[in-house]
Amino acid sequence: NAGVTQTPKFQVLKTGQSMTLQCAQDMNHNSMYWYRQDPGMGLRLIYYSASEGTTDKGEVPNGYNVSRLNKREFSLRLESAAPSQTSVYFCASSDGEVWEPSGNTIYFGEGSWLTVV
Amino acid sequence: AQKVTQAQTEISVVEKEDVTLDCVYETRDTTYYLFWYKQPPSGELVFLIRRNSFDEQNEISGRYSWNFQKSTSSFNFTITASQVVDSAVYFCALSLIKAAGNKLTFGGGTRVLVKP
Repeated sequence: NAGVTQTPKFQVLKTGQSMTLQCAQDMNHNSMYWYRQDPGMGLRLIYYSASEGTTDKGEVPNGYNVSRLNKREFSLRLESAAPSQTSVYFCASSDGEVWEPSGNTIYFGEGSWLTVV
Repeated sequence: AQKVTQAQTEISVVEKEDVTLDCVYETRDTTYYLFWYKQPPSGELVFLIRRNSFDEQNEISGRYSWNFQKSTSSFNFTITASQVVDSAVYFCALSLIKAAGNKLTFGGGTRVLVKP
C-alpha cells in the first residue's frame, strides 16, 4: 500500500511565485489534512477536509488555499509564496469511523521540503 | 483549545540505556485520543501508538512502553535498552474523538540521540 503520497518532495520557489502541493491517499479515508512543520514548533494544521466536498481552516491558514478534488486527493496551493512559508509540509489522512480499531488515527505522507527565496 | 507540552527538547543517551520522554496535555474535553509519532532523520512521520481517554492501561510493545495517567494529564513514553536506530524526533499529539475531521495538536517534539 502506498498510503499517503505527496509531491513534489523538494521545491525551491522565488518570492511571489505560486505552486501547488499534491496529495493522494489510497486508504479510502474520509478526512485529509495539510500540516506544516517548523523547527521547535511541532506540526501545525493549515487546512483540513473532514469529508469530500468540505474544507476548513486550521491554525495557520493565511497564504494558502486548498482543494478537495475527490475523496483521494487534497491539494495545497501557495498563490504568492513568501519566505515565511519556507517549511516542511505534510499531508495526512484519517478514517472517520471512531468505532473502528484504527479510527481517528492520522497517517502522514513523507513530507515536502519547500524553500522560498 | 488543546495544548501538548514536551518539555524535553533533546535527550542524549548511550546505547542500551533507557530513555523516558515526557508529554503533558491540556484539554477540557473528556473524550480524546493521545498519540506518539516518530520522525527519523529521513523525515517521515511514523505512527507509534494511539490511546483513548477511556483506557488508562499502560501498554508495552517490544522495547517501547507508554504510561498514561489521567490524574496528571501525562502520557509518557519509555524506550528500554535504546538502540542507535531509535535516534529520531518523537512527537506527542492529542485529538478529540470525533466522527470526522479530528485535528491533531502536536507538542514541540523531543529529539533523541542514541550514541553507540
